[in-house]
Amino acid sequence: EPEVTQTPSHQVTQMGQEVILRCVPISNHLYFYWYRQILGQKVEFLVSFYNNEISEKSEIFDDQFSVERPDGSNFTLKIRSTKLEDSAMYFCASSEEFLGGETQYFGPGTRLLVL
Amino acid sequence: GESVGLHLPTLSVQEGDNSIINCAYSNSASDYFIWYKQESGKGPQFIIDIRSNMDKRQGQRVTVLLNKTVKHLSLQIAATQPGDSAVYFCAEIKNTGFQKLVFGTGTRLLVSP
Repeated sequence: EPEVTQTPSHQVTQMGQEVILRCVPISNHLYFYWYRQILGQKVEFLVSFYNNEISEKSEIFDDQFSVERPDGSNFTLKIRSTKLEDSAMYFCASSEEFLGGETQYFGPGTRLLVL
Repeated sequence: GESVGLHLPTLSVQEGDNSIINCAYSNSASDYFIWYKQESGKGPQFIIDIRSNMDKRQGQRVTVLLNKTVKHLSLQIAATQPGDSAVYFCAEIKNTGFQKLVFGTGTRLLVSP
């Protein structure tokens, strides 16, 4: 069964450093998303991406964040200058269609720890 | 504002019992709802979904009920098994043209053998 994959599974970084989280969505999906989950809290939407541009973003997704689909398979989230409060699980998700296929399938996540 | 909330943070049941997990939502414009299961250290896993034009939908051992009058959603798990132990989230999509999922806070289901 097709699944969303994410790398790395864990990332430890120093405050102020740049990190890139990588995702490979399900191959026939057209919509891509990033969510994050701070430990013990609910999953929060960050950004959605379609047709090589951002569809929607939350207040969390400020200028330190960016997303990119550099090739036909990868979808990345970059945090330019990490802060302590960026420590969280970051989940990538993808969905097949906009209407009728909204179900978003999630990857296993990347646990980011900012020291 | 948008909010999706859960009534019970933890639900403990015995193996073989039926489980009911509840969710209240406040956004009457939402028209698509999904239940996710999240096991420790893993991403949310799709369980079942329902559209706002439906009241009930059944899957394998799971049933979702939607009561739009009181803006309430429930997930029923039949013959609960230890492997069902996880945190369960309801999530909603407001069909405004985007697909942002709004998650509830989650209910932890503990199944004792």
